Amino acid sequence: DAKTTQPPSMDCAEGRAANLPCNHSTISGNEYVYWYRQIHSQGPQYIIHGLKNNETNEMASLIITEDRKSSTLILPHATLRDTAVYYCIVRVLFGGSNYKLTFGKGTLLTVNP
Amino acid sequence: EAGVAQSPRYKIIEKRQSVAFWCNPISGHATLYWYQQILGQGPKLLIQFQNNGVVDDSQLPKDRFSAERLKGVDSTLKIQPAKLEDSAVYLCASSLAGTGGGGTQYFGPGTRLLVL
Repeated sequence: DAKTTQPPSMDCAEGRAANLPCNHSTISGNEYVYWYRQIHSQGPQYIIHGLKNNETNEMASLIITEDRKSSTLILPHATLRDTAVYYCIVRVLFGGSNYKLTFGKGTLLTVNP
Repeated sequence: EAGVAQSPRYKIIEKRQSVAFWCNPISGHATLYWYQQILGQGPKLLIQFQNNGVVDDSQLPKDRFSAERLKGVDSTLKIQPAKLEDSAVYLCASSLAGTGGGGTQYFGPGTRLLVL
């Protein structure tokens, strides 16, 4: 089972910031939070990941709370092309040295003109 | 840098027929994954390879699904015989060997299978 909880859907106005929340209250100390998105009929696209500190790249920012039980993905200036399903995933270690991503249903973000 | 390649992109078969999907991972990626994504759901991991060895196939329906990764590069996923409920998108992903923050998975475009 996925270790994360996300709202099923959100709306955002074009040009505004989109803030996508994720709860992962059972995360362990060495487990990373990953974000992917999936635009209709395409494979999932990697966005960003983090462990403890906030992270930023050319696509988005990731804010992780100090207790690591929740995080927020921020798209600073959403465009219509950002309409997609966004997945928040806790990457789990198994077998000593292998990692697994378990996808939930994600959040459908709709960016409106 | 070339991404993960998959073929075919679409396939329509009748139930009880067999089908095979091909995946070529990103060059140098030791770990390869096959996922099944049913409409309206997130991807579900079927099998994970590290080089040419299987590290996790716990969710692979082994009575009808098989996968191999010869020489630790390309991989094929086969379904024989197909059932109606196998209609889905089959996604391939690859990653460097994951340690710490490494091991980010990169996905291909997927193969859309329709079983009639």
